[in-house]
Amino acid sequence: DTAVSQTPKYLVTQMGNDKSIKCEQNLGHDTMYWYKQDSKKFLKIMFSYNNKELIINETVPNRFSPKSPDKAHLNLHINSLELGDSAVYFCASSQDAVENEQFFGPGTRLTVL
Amino acid sequence: AQSVTQLDSQVPVFEEAPVELRCNYSSSVSVYLFWYVQYPNQGLQLLLKYLSGSTLVKGINGFEAEFNKSQTSFHLRKPSVHISDTAEYFCAVKVPSGGYQKVTFGTGTKLQVIP
Repeated sequence: DTAVSQTPKYLVTQMGNDKSIKCEQNLGHDTMYWYKQDSKKFLKIMFSYNNKELIINETVPNRFSPKSPDKAHLNLHINSLELGDSAVYFCASSQDAVENEQFFGPGTRLTVL
Repeated sequence: AQSVTQLDSQVPVFEEAPVELRCNYSSSVSVYLFWYVQYPNQGLQLLLKYLSGSTLVKGINGFEAEFNKSQTSFHLRKPSVHISDTAEYFCAVKVPSGGYQKVTFGTGTKLQVIP
């Protein structure tokens, strides 16, 4: 059973479109994260939710909006996609916001044409 | 704010040779330190972590790391690498706190094991 799953695995779309990436964890964790990994493999946190409450919101354009319908899900919606949004997006979860180990999903490779 | 530096972007090493991947951090307070591994086209997986106690930490797949407070380092080592160790390795730092704190990742070191 996959602990942290993301869909889709690959996403190719045109500039200006709106797209969503879904994430689910079946570990019973309270905290979930979205990371962006660029072409140089640099990994940067975007958002974090704890029990559906936003606790970390890095300097991310307003076009990115996370949504957590329940603590097992954290989706990422992106409006008006730009070329620079092309990256691999990773979802992760941890037992809580203080717990130290994060469990990562397999990633979603987003390509904006 | 804390930061972490991985000086080597790529480390080529022959199979069965030892390897050391370097990590240095900066923080004004005590930290937690981690090493994660990312295999091609996969997410990150925890290799090992230092929270407190013994400065020598053993992880999965035969890796170990040593926390050196005076040198603010947390280098990762393996005495004999295998082809399957080819991957990207990320050092990360977190400042423990009662509140919410994010983990800061280094820029990664690509380990290339040569047959």
